[in-house]
Amino acid sequence: RKEVEQDPGPFNVPEGATVAFNCTYSNSASQSFFWYRQDCRKEPKLLMSVYSSGNEDGRFTAQLNRASQYISLLIRDSKLSDSATYLCVVNIGLAAGNKLTFGGGTRVLVKP
Amino acid sequence: NAGVTQTPKFRVLKTGQSMTLLCAQDMNHEYMYWYRQDPGMGLRLIHYSVGEGTTAKGEVPDGYNVSRLKKQNFLLGLESAAPSQTSVYFCASRNPQGDIPATNEKLFFGSGTQLSVL
Repeated sequence: RKEVEQDPGPFNVPEGATVAFNCTYSNSASQSFFWYRQDCRKEPKLLMSVYSSGNEDGRFTAQLNRASQYISLLIRDSKLSDSATYLCVVNIGLAAGNKLTFGGGTRVLVKP
Repeated sequence: NAGVTQTPKFRVLKTGQSMTLLCAQDMNHEYMYWYRQDPGMGLRLIHYSVGEGTTAKGEVPDGYNVSRLKKQNFLLGLESAAPSQTSVYFCASRNPQGDIPATNEKLFFGSGTQLSVL
Protein backbone atom coordinates (compact mmCIF):
# COMPACT_ATOMS: atom_id res chain seq x y z
CA ARG A 1 0.00 0.00 0.00
CA LYS A 2 1.32 3.45 -0.88
CA GLU A 3 2.01 5.81 1.99
CA VAL A 4 -0.17 8.53 0.49
CA GLU A 5 -2.94 7.74 -1.99
CA GLN A 6 -5.18 9.92 -4.09
CA ASP A 7 -7.86 9.34 -6.70
CA PRO A 8 -6.13 10.45 -9.91
CA GLY A 9 -9.37 11.70 -11.48
CA PRO A 10 -9.97 13.64 -13.59
CA PHE A 11 -12.85 15.26 -11.80
CA ASN A 12 -14.83 17.10 -14.46
CA VAL A 13 -16.57 19.98 -12.71
CA PRO A 14 -19.04 22.50 -14.17
CA GLU A 15 -18.05 26.07 -13.50
CA GLY A 16 -19.68 27.24 -10.29
CA ALA A 17 -20.12 23.76 -8.86
CA THR A 18 -18.54 22.24 -5.75
CA VAL A 19 -15.99 19.46 -5.89
CA ALA A 20 -14.40 17.48 -3.09
CA PHE A 21 -11.79 14.77 -2.99
CA ASN A 22 -9.80 12.88 -0.41
CA CYS A 23 -6.28 11.74 0.28
CA THR A 24 -5.57 8.73 2.48
CA TYR A 25 -2.35 8.11 4.38
CA SER A 26 -1.08 4.88 5.86
CA ASN A 27 1.12 6.00 8.73
CA SER A 28 -0.86 6.89 11.84
CA ALA A 29 2.18 8.79 13.15
CA SER A 30 1.83 11.41 10.40
CA GLN A 31 1.99 14.84 11.95
CA SER A 32 1.37 17.53 9.39
CA PHE A 33 -0.54 17.69 6.15
CA PHE A 34 -0.69 19.99 3.15
CA TRP A 35 -2.42 20.52 -0.15
CA TYR A 36 -0.30 21.73 -3.07
CA ARG A 37 -1.51 22.85 -6.47
CA GLN A 38 0.41 22.00 -9.63
CA ASP A 39 -0.28 23.48 -13.07
CA CYS A 40 0.74 21.63 -16.19
CA ARG A 41 4.16 20.27 -15.10
CA LYS A 42 5.14 23.50 -13.39
CA GLU A 43 6.44 23.46 -9.85
CA PRO A 44 3.93 22.69 -7.10
CA LYS A 45 2.78 25.60 -4.98
CA LEU A 46 1.36 25.45 -1.48
CA LEU A 47 -2.39 25.85 -1.49
CA MET A 48 -3.05 25.35 2.18
CA SER A 49 -1.96 23.57 5.31
CA VAL A 50 -4.40 21.23 7.00
CA TYR A 51 -5.05 21.90 10.66
CA SER A 52 -6.58 19.40 13.03
CA SER A 53 -9.69 21.54 13.34
CA GLY A 54 -10.06 22.03 9.63
CA ASN A 55 -8.99 25.03 7.61
CA GLU A 56 -10.84 27.37 5.30
CA ASP A 57 -9.34 29.86 2.87
CA GLY A 58 -11.88 31.56 0.68
CA ARG A 59 -13.50 28.95 -1.54
CA PHE A 60 -11.20 26.18 -0.32
CA THR A 61 -11.77 24.04 2.75
CA ALA A 62 -9.41 21.37 4.00
CA GLN A 63 -10.20 18.87 6.72
CA LEU A 64 -8.33 16.17 8.58
CA ASN A 65 -9.83 12.92 9.82
CA ARG A 66 -7.22 11.21 11.96
CA ALA A 67 -9.45 8.30 12.92
CA SER A 68 -9.90 7.28 9.30
CA GLN A 69 -6.52 8.62 8.23
CA TYR A 70 -7.52 10.90 5.43
CA ILE A 71 -7.55 14.57 4.53
CA SER A 72 -9.99 16.23 2.20
CA LEU A 73 -10.12 19.29 0.00
CA LEU A 74 -13.36 20.97 -1.00
CA ILE A 75 -13.58 23.68 -3.65
CA ARG A 76 -16.75 25.77 -3.77
CA ASP A 77 -17.94 27.90 -6.67
CA SER A 78 -15.33 26.40 -8.98
CA LYS A 79 -13.58 28.73 -11.39
CA LEU A 80 -11.97 27.82 -14.71
CA SER A 81 -8.66 28.82 -13.12
CA ASP A 82 -9.07 26.06 -10.51
CA SER A 83 -8.22 23.49 -13.20
CA ALA A 84 -5.03 21.89 -11.97
CA THR A 85 -3.62 18.86 -10.24
CA TYR A 86 -3.94 18.89 -6.46
CA LEU A 87 -1.20 17.10 -4.56
CA CYS A 88 -1.58 15.83 -1.04
CA VAL A 89 1.57 15.97 1.10
CA VAL A 90 2.18 14.26 4.42
CA ASN A 91 4.99 14.75 6.93
CA ILE A 92 5.49 11.74 9.18
CA GLY A 93 7.85 13.57 11.46
CA LEU A 94 11.33 13.42 12.88
CA ALA A 95 11.33 9.63 13.20
CA ALA A 96 11.14 9.44 9.41
CA GLY A 97 13.61 12.24 8.86
CA ASN A 98 10.88 14.81 8.35
CA LYS A 99 10.47 13.57 4.81
CA LEU A 100 7.55 14.98 2.91
CA THR A 101 5.68 12.28 1.00
CA PHE A 102 3.49 13.22 -1.96
CA GLY A 103 0.38 11.54 -3.22
CA GLY A 104 -0.01 10.94 -6.94
CA GLY A 105 -2.28 13.94 -7.36
CA THR A 106 -5.93 14.49 -8.23
CA ARG A 107 -6.62 16.20 -11.53
CA VAL A 108 -9.51 18.68 -11.60
CA LEU A 109 -10.94 20.07 -14.83
CA VAL A 110 -13.41 22.92 -14.51
CA LYS A 111 -15.49 23.41 -17.64
CA PRO A 112 -17.75 26.28 -18.73
CA ASN B 1 14.53 37.55 -4.60
CA ALA B 2 15.47 34.37 -6.49
CA GLY B 3 14.19 31.70 -4.06
CA VAL B 4 15.12 28.28 -5.44
CA THR B 5 16.95 28.13 -8.75
CA GLN B 6 17.53 24.96 -10.74
CA THR B 7 19.93 24.59 -13.63
CA PRO B 8 19.67 23.49 -16.35
CA LYS B 9 15.99 23.73 -17.31
CA PHE B 10 16.27 21.17 -20.10
CA ARG B 11 18.82 18.51 -20.99
CA VAL B 12 19.07 15.59 -23.37
CA LEU B 13 21.57 12.84 -22.58
CA LYS B 14 22.64 9.66 -24.26
CA THR B 15 22.57 6.43 -22.28
CA GLY B 16 25.70 6.14 -20.19
CA GLN B 17 26.50 9.86 -20.04
CA SER B 18 26.82 11.64 -16.74
CA MET B 19 25.56 15.00 -15.59
CA THR B 20 24.95 17.14 -12.52
CA LEU B 21 21.84 19.14 -11.73
CA LEU B 22 22.37 22.17 -9.54
CA CYS B 23 19.91 23.53 -7.02
CA ALA B 24 20.63 26.81 -5.29
CA GLN B 25 18.54 28.57 -2.65
CA ASP B 26 19.09 31.99 -1.14
CA MET B 27 16.69 31.69 1.82
CA ASN B 28 19.17 30.08 4.24
CA HIS B 29 17.00 26.97 4.44
CA GLU B 30 18.31 23.93 6.31
CA TYR B 31 16.43 21.21 4.44
CA MET B 32 16.74 20.54 0.73
CA TYR B 33 15.15 17.84 -1.41
CA TRP B 34 15.39 16.33 -4.87
CA TYR B 35 12.21 14.84 -6.36
CA ARG B 36 11.39 13.29 -9.70
CA GLN B 37 7.97 13.36 -11.31
CA ASP B 38 6.82 10.95 -13.98
CA PRO B 39 3.57 11.11 -15.98
CA GLY B 40 0.54 10.28 -13.86
CA MET B 41 2.59 10.11 -10.70
CA GLY B 42 3.24 12.44 -7.87
CA LEU B 43 6.66 13.55 -6.77
CA ARG B 44 8.95 10.81 -5.55
CA LEU B 45 11.80 11.66 -3.22
CA ILE B 46 15.26 10.78 -4.54
CA HIS B 47 17.57 12.18 -1.85
CA TYR B 48 17.35 14.86 0.76
CA SER B 49 19.54 16.83 3.12
CA VAL B 50 18.81 18.19 6.59
CA GLY B 51 21.88 20.40 6.70
CA GLU B 52 25.23 21.26 5.19
CA GLY B 53 27.40 18.17 4.81
CA THR B 54 24.53 15.71 5.35
CA THR B 55 22.53 13.68 2.85
CA ALA B 56 20.06 10.81 3.08
CA LYS B 57 18.31 8.44 0.72
CA GLY B 58 14.72 8.93 -0.21
CA GLU B 59 12.26 6.64 -1.91
CA VAL B 60 14.06 6.16 -5.26
CA PRO B 61 17.81 6.81 -4.72
CA ASP B 62 19.31 4.20 -7.05
CA GLY B 63 21.33 5.64 -9.92
CA TYR B 64 21.70 9.05 -8.26
CA ASN B 65 24.20 10.68 -5.94
CA VAL B 66 24.00 13.99 -4.13
CA SER B 67 26.22 16.41 -2.31
CA ARG B 68 25.60 19.35 0.02
CA LEU B 69 29.00 20.94 0.49
CA LYS B 70 27.50 24.38 0.97
CA LYS B 71 24.24 25.13 2.74
CA GLN B 72 22.78 26.97 -0.23
CA ASN B 73 23.55 24.31 -2.85
CA PHE B 74 22.29 20.76 -3.34
CA LEU B 75 23.70 18.86 -6.32
CA LEU B 76 22.13 15.82 -7.93
CA GLY B 77 24.39 13.62 -10.02
CA LEU B 78 23.66 10.92 -12.54
CA GLU B 79 26.77 8.80 -12.99
CA SER B 80 25.57 6.72 -15.93
CA ALA B 81 22.24 7.91 -17.28
CA ALA B 82 19.57 5.38 -18.24
CA PRO B 83 16.32 5.87 -20.19
CA SER B 84 14.41 5.10 -16.98
CA GLN B 85 15.78 8.35 -15.58
CA THR B 86 13.89 10.39 -18.16
CA SER B 87 11.74 12.57 -15.95
CA VAL B 88 11.08 16.04 -14.61
CA TYR B 89 13.27 16.80 -11.62
CA PHE B 90 12.28 19.27 -8.92
CA CYS B 91 14.40 20.66 -6.16
CA ALA B 92 12.82 22.08 -3.02
CA SER B 93 13.86 23.62 0.25
CA ARG B 94 12.30 24.54 3.57
CA ASN B 95 13.10 25.55 7.09
CA PRO B 96 11.99 23.15 9.80
CA GLN B 97 10.20 24.59 12.81
CA GLY B 98 11.98 22.50 15.39
CA ASP B 99 11.68 18.74 15.80
CA ILE B 100 7.90 18.58 15.47
CA PRO B 101 6.60 19.40 12.00
CA ALA B 102 4.51 22.51 11.94
CA THR B 103 1.67 23.40 9.65
CA ASN B 104 3.53 26.43 8.37
CA GLU B 105 6.50 24.52 6.98
CA LYS B 106 6.14 25.53 3.37
CA LEU B 107 8.16 23.85 0.64
CA PHE B 108 9.74 26.18 -1.87
CA PHE B 109 10.28 24.62 -5.28
CA GLY B 110 12.54 25.34 -8.20
CA SER B 111 10.95 25.50 -11.65
CA GLY B 112 12.09 22.00 -12.61
CA THR B 113 14.49 20.32 -15.02
CA GLN B 114 13.17 18.29 -17.95
CA LEU B 115 15.68 15.49 -18.55
CA SER B 116 15.48 13.07 -21.47
CA VAL B 117 17.81 10.09 -21.73
CA LEU B 118 17.96 8.51 -25.17
